[in-house]
Amino acid sequence: GNSVTQMEGPVTLSEEAFLTINCTYTATGYPSLFWYVQYPGEGLQLLLKATKADDKGSNKGFEATYRKETTSFHLEKGSVQVSDSAVYFCALSNSGAGSYQLTFGKGTKLSVIP
Amino acid sequence: DAGITQSPRHKVTETGTPVTLRCHQTENHRYMYWYRQDPGHGLRLIHYSYGVKDTDKGEVSDGYSVSRSKTEDFLLTLESATSSQTSVYFCAISESWGGTDTQYFGPGTRLTVL
Repeated sequence: GNSVTQMEGPVTLSEEAFLTINCTYTATGYPSLFWYVQYPGEGLQLLLKATKADDKGSNKGFEATYRKETTSFHLEKGSVQVSDSAVYFCALSNSGAGSYQLTFGKGTKLSVIP
Repeated sequence: DAGITQSPRHKVTETGTPVTLRCHQTENHRYMYWYRQDPGHGLRLIHYSYGVKDTDKGEVSDGYSVSRSKTEDFLLTLESATSSQTSVYFCAISESWGGTDTQYFGPGTRLTVL
């Protein structure tokens, strides 16, 4: 079956620090990969996505590269801000198995301190 | 932001009572989803709909039913609420049924079953 494993949080960083949140997946076929972000008290918003191997998704200074050889989709940002404090979810959608339901990781809470 | 509203936003109820949550969209998207979010589990799919009167079960459908009589509304019903159904419930929509398609999430409903 499909599964997503994220690094456990919480993660606390100082402003302007470098961020990496690890995400690995298990899936048959050719999944699409997503990062969603949830700010306090809100629903999830798409942060970025990649639909095939070696694609790089990017948005708001965040980046993630779809690595099929390592089944990974790690989220990175060069310089975090206090406003990046949120919960980040890695997810996959497996188009190869005829099912397009999203499978989520458990989420990683990021706190950025001034 | 995608036009998705959920009602109520907060509800406290007692074990054994019926509860209905409503999701309303103004985007005319064909596909709608109900998820629950619990600590340590990420988001898990309860039910989804692929058109008016067309619904199917997700990963954690036991104890829940859904209905969709109009494109814009998707109802989630707990026939007899239990404490294990205390959770935050999110509705999502997508324009098409494809592995690369983005799901857009509502603001969530926090349900407490005493």
